Amino acid sequence: QISLQESGPTLIKPTQTLTLTCTFSGFSLSASGVGVGWIRQPPGQALEWLALIYWDDDKRYTPSLKNRLTITKDTSKNQVVLTMTNMDPVDTATYYCAHRYSGYSYFDYWGQGTLITVSS
Amino acid sequence: DIQMTQSPSTLSASVGDRVTITCRASQTISIWLAWYQQKQGKAPKLLITKASSLKSGVPSRFSGSGSGTEFTLTISSLQPDDFATYYCQQYNGDSPWTFGQGTKVEMK
Repeated sequence: QISLQESGPTLIKPTQTLTLTCTFSGFSLSASGVGVGWIRQPPGQALEWLALIYWDDDKRYTPSLKNRLTITKDTSKNQVVLTMTNMDPVDTATYYCAHRYSGYSYFDYWGQGTLITVSS
Repeated sequence: DIQMTQSPSTLSASVGDRVTITCRASQTISIWLAWYQQKQGKAPKLLITKASSLKSGVPSRFSGSGSGTEFTLTISSLQPDDFATYYCQQYNGDSPWTFGQGTKVEMK
């Protein structure tokens, strides 16, 4: 049974760097075709895909945020980490990690999400 | 980037109604489209992949159709549990993968 859980600070100040951890179980991120992505959702707004890391350590980022995002994985710990630099109040959102269905980039299992508020 | 446009943004309906939501892509995406349902305060739930393939366990009143640039999600007989926001997502080729802006199905 696949499950994912996001963790990180709930409040962060402008200009700081956000570090989010996704801890998962029920699958291996070393298995061919597997990936873990991050998606965010500002309050009352739509979903926005941010980043994806593949089983082979290949990475993809949304172009508008590429310069601020870094995604990494620790296969031994079953964790994926997303860092976002230079946080701004407009980055206030619920951040989700999700399992990429093998071979196709849609997300079949999601974490519950974590609300990150950017405020001084 | 491929832009996804959903219509309507909000839809008012009653239990038992047939509901149709449209999703349009700014360029052809073949059948590489997924639909999600999201309830308030919860993570999205995958309903349909490849434009029309119902995920196991999803009620058969949900169906999807379309290819190329125009897609629809239909709920044949709206149930109380279906009041939610629905999102389409294209996953054509390499990134970036994009979501529509959502359609909220509310009670009339």
